[in-house]
Amino acid sequence: GAVVSQHPSWVICKSGTSVKIECRSLDFQATTMFWYRQFPKQSLMLMATSNEGSKATYEQGVEKDKFLINHASLTLSTLTVTSAHPEDSSFYICSARDQASGTDTQYFGPGTRLTVL
Amino acid sequence: GQNIDQPTEMTATEGAIVQINCTYQTSGFNGLFWYQQHAGEAPTFLSYNVLDGLEEKGRFSSFLSRSKGYSYLLLKELQMKDSASYLCARRTGANNLFFGTGTRLTVIP
Repeated sequence: GAVVSQHPSWVICKSGTSVKIECRSLDFQATTMFWYRQFPKQSLMLMATSNEGSKATYEQGVEKDKFLINHASLTLSTLTVTSAHPEDSSFYICSARDQASGTDTQYFGPGTRLTVL
Repeated sequence: GQNIDQPTEMTATEGAIVQINCTYQTSGFNGLFWYQQHAGEAPTFLSYNVLDGLEEKGRFSSFLSRSKGYSYLLLKELQMKDSASYLCARRTGANNLFFGTGTRLTVIP
């Protein structure tokens, strides 16, 4: 299947700092990528849809000025958590949509565990 | 919300068969996905249904009834490594995926 990478796999930062997470589709082009957040023992919650060359679409309740998304190329989307606070500590997972496959499937990256002190 | 419902936890014996059910809101339906997620890892794709019926892929099969808003994932010949969370996800017309809370399956010897 298609491969999606994320970097970093984990990060610890101080409250008030910003953290950038990269999501790359390694063997396919993805015009659409998605960012999810998952708290312990809960399911994935869609934060935003990232479209190459245009603004991201945010889900209700997600602050667009706090979670900055950039999708500058067909293989890379970035999520920047600005002025991070302890309540932002979570598992952030991206997925990339492979429209070339028959099922139009989303493939997930390995996730980034963010801990804000 | 997306009204995706699946059992929270299930336990089954190694070598047995287990069926994990999922019900979902039918309006705007554009496909049903099943993912497997081990603790601390990202989900991995298992199956996709957009038409009614059964899709078989090795030990895993998935069934869909669009009129009933119902799907199930069937796991045969259970192995210990199958212990994981199984996530049912509904795709909307806008191609967004919305996930259920997941079913945590424990396989016991």
